[in-house]
Amino acid sequence: EDQVTQSPEALRLQEGESSSLNCSYTVSGLRGLFWYRQDPGKGPEFLFTLYSAGEEKEKERLKATLTKKESFLHITAPKPEDSATYLCAVQARQAGTALIFGKGTTLSVSS
Amino acid sequence: DTAVSQTPKYLVTQMGNDKSIKCEQNLGHDTMYWYKQDSKKFLKIMFSYNNKELIINETVPNRFSPKSPDKAHLNLHINSLELGDSAVYFCASSQVAVTYNSPLHFGNGTRLTVT
Repeated sequence: EDQVTQSPEALRLQEGESSSLNCSYTVSGLRGLFWYRQDPGKGPEFLFTLYSAGEEKEKERLKATLTKKESFLHITAPKPEDSATYLCAVQARQAGTALIFGKGTTLSVSS
Repeated sequence: DTAVSQTPKYLVTQMGNDKSIKCEQNLGHDTMYWYKQDSKKFLKIMFSYNNKELIINETVPNRFSPKSPDKAHLNLHINSLELGDSAVYFCASSQVAVTYNSPLHFGNGTRLTVT
């Protein structure tokens, strides 16, 4: 069964304290791995797509990497405005399949 | 200028009632979706429509019926509401059925509370 596991569930950082979020997945042929950010009371907002091992994407203080079994979202020198829930999702290669989401990591950055 | 808009934002109702949630997207996308986010925060696909045609229909009680009058609208009608239906329902759209270069754009959700 295709599934996505994210860890940790919650992460508290001080402003400027870099860290990484993990997304482990099992899927019958990976078509793409997606990272989303969700703020309270809002819908998820697209951040990155990765679709082959070794690929990396960057956006401001965020950098996403992909291996054959997991993805990391690295946060460098985070700021309070980076506080949100970060969701990972995968899509299997089989046509017509929807995204399978993980439970998310809730990040809190304090000044 | 909202890309994907849902109404209402909050919906409180009693068991046994019938209710609808409306969704509209102004992005010109061909594919629309309904996702359910339960109390454990998992987002799970319910339905997907591509240009008004149902393409994904996960194991969802038949009390839930999506309706797509045109490719910019996808409404969700729920009959005989149950306590377990309480959740946040998200509408989303993508340019084509999700590919690596066609990410989902989500609305801000409808929080449904069944009492």
